[in-house]
Amino acid sequence: DIVMTQSPLSLPVTPGEPASISCRSSQSLLHSNGYNYLDWYLQRPGQSPQLLIYLGSNRAAGVPDRFSGSGSGTDFTLKISRVEAEDVGIYYCMQPLQTPFTFGPGTTVDIK
Amino acid sequence: QVQLVQAGGEVKKPGASVKVSCKASGYTFTSYVIHWVRQAPGQRPEWMGWIYAGNGNTQYSQRFQDRVTITRDISASTAYMELSSLKSEDTAIYYCARDDASAAGSYFDYWGQGTVVTVSS
Repeated sequence: DIVMTQSPLSLPVTPGEPASISCRSSQSLLHSNGYNYLDWYLQRPGQSPQLLIYLGSNRAAGVPDRFSGSGSGTDFTLKISRVEAEDVGIYYCMQPLQTPFTFGPGTTVDIK
Repeated sequence: QVQLVQAGGEVKKPGASVKVSCKASGYTFTSYVIHWVRQAPGQRPEWMGWIYAGNGNTQYSQRFQDRVTITRDISASTAYMELSSLKSEDTAIYYCARDDASAAGSYFDYWGQGTVVTVSS
């Protein structure tokens, strides 16, 4: 199975400041079609996960442009340009390159 | 609007089976894949398997291979996940999620609200 890791696991943030989360995979997620098979999800407290970023860098419909995804191969980053209070929750990266799809341990973002 | 609506919670005894439903609306059911993902308390989500609603093809995680069955009823636009031989460690929230079968990659753009399954004697 592909193992996903994230850092940091906890990220206290100040509203209006930037934030960054790293995700690494145990195998390259670069598909032969040129896409990186890496998605980012946010799970707000008490809610289902919601899609933020797919194929490494594509924002999902309705996701604010303060969220951006980058990276290739085994190293990926989710950036929030200016954190807002509604961004608190647990951020997960997930690889859908091969089954079983696997998630990272999650990064808990909360307000300082 | 796209919705995936899951039935309410279930309480089961060890060794029993549970069948969780996921009713889809607001899109063409047979054009998408439905995945099942579970999340035990305080844990990361865990992928269980998928079904392509168009032809019923399925793929399961090896971890659940012998215990899970995913089916769909096209007439009801509903997908089902049945897990057998339940153990206390199967206590979790079970989610269904939609995936565009025609696009590159896999990503879950809509999720159900989750069904809480509690396994306890």
